[in-house]
Amino acid sequence: AQSVTQLGSHVSVSEGALVLLRCNYSSSVPPYLFWYVQYPNQGLQLLLKYTSAATLVKGINGFEAEFKKSETSFHLTKPSAHMSDAAEYFCAVSTHGSGNTGKLIFGQGTTLQVKP
Amino acid sequence: DSGVTQTPKHLITATGQRVTLRCSPRSGDLSVYWYQQSLDQGLQFLIQYYNGEERAKGNILERFSAQQFPDLHSELNLSSLELGDSALYFCASSGGELAGGLGETQYFGPGTRLLVL
Repeated sequence: AQSVTQLGSHVSVSEGALVLLRCNYSSSVPPYLFWYVQYPNQGLQLLLKYTSAATLVKGINGFEAEFKKSETSFHLTKPSAHMSDAAEYFCAVSTHGSGNTGKLIFGQGTTLQVKP
Repeated sequence: DSGVTQTPKHLITATGQRVTLRCSPRSGDLSVYWYQQSLDQGLQFLIQYYNGEERAKGNILERFSAQQFPDLHSELNLSSLELGDSALYFCASSGGELAGGLGETQYFGPGTRLLVL
């Protein structure tokens, strides 16, 4: 069965510091991987998506993620955190074995706190 | 703004009652997904419709049902409500360029927050 594990339910960084949010997936076949962000009292917004075209995926707001098959990881990074990046971040996977559906399996989420 | 709309934004009701949540997908999107977000279960897939037909089911309770209408809007019906049904319910839509299947990007609405007292 597919699953997603986000290491660290809460990450705190200083403004201007590197952001690293960890995501590991389990899938027997190449998956589609997504990172979404949820700001308080809002829906989920797509940050980026991996579709096997390139292992390094660039997203919105300066975020990027690297797909590493050997490590079954898809960690999200941003070189310099801004106060506006404070939000909850979700890693999600969509993969074969579920019939022809695009349903997403989400990780538990990581809350990013940015300190001034 | 994702283009997906959900009504109502908030809903407060009592145990045993029935409610209907409504979702309008982005213009032209054929697939609609419903997800439940709760503190203990996280974000869980409930059900997907593609062009009016049920495509996939997740951890959806028998007390819950959904449908997608010819104009592509969708409704999620929750009945015999229990305290544990209190959650944020999201609708998402995708374009259908992959026939509602693997890899389609989903766009989420703002959610309906349900509180069962």
